[in-house]
Amino acid sequence: DAKTTQPNSMESNEEEPVHLPCNHSTISGTDYIHWYRQLPSQGPEYVIHGLTSNVNNRMASLAIAEDRKSSTLILHRATLRDAAVYYCILRQTPLVFGKGTRLSVIA
Amino acid sequence: DGGITQSPKYLFRKEGQNVTLSCEQNLNHDAMYWYRQDPGQGLRLIYYSQIVNDFQKGDIAEGYSVSREKKESFPLTVTSAQKNPTAFYLCASTTGGLGTQYFGPGTRLLVL
Repeated sequence: DAKTTQPNSMESNEEEPVHLPCNHSTISGTDYIHWYRQLPSQGPEYVIHGLTSNVNNRMASLAIAEDRKSSTLILHRATLRDAAVYYCILRQTPLVFGKGTRLSVIA
Repeated sequence: DGGITQSPKYLFRKEGQNVTLSCEQNLNHDAMYWYRQDPGQGLRLIYYSQIVNDFQKGDIAEGYSVSREKKESFPLTVTSAQKNPTAFYLCASTTGGLGTQYFGPGTRLLVL
């Protein structure tokens, strides 16, 4: 089981911020939250991860709720190249992928 | 450049035939994984290996076999027992533990 819940799809206008939510109500204290994305016809790629504090990198930001039962991946300015399926995963071995959120970006 | 290579990009299988998908990594990663993805679906784990000469079944191992004779290689054989093999197959690797997982470009398998 994926142990995370995400909306099936979301839509955004180009150059606007996008907030992709993820619920993980059964998260344990040591579970890291990882985000991957999969562009069309490619393998998934790592986006960002965090444990408790909010995290930023060149691709995105990750906001983690204080109770850690939910998190939000933030793309600050969506581009057409950000159209992909985004997976929120609680890091374990092996990785278990759910269906993710399909993000569409409108020009 | 370090990374994961998968070959071929497209593979065609005839009825009753076994086919082998190649996965090679030069990242010096200990753990390697095989996933299957059907259209519009998420990834499902077939097999994984955390160390050379050892591997474990994933959620959908029936009809598949693997070997891990070398650290850098983890080939997947789709046997004739797999009745619905048409899918996108993805290989991945990690350093082990809870590190970032890196994926190859995938192999698309089609049945003639």
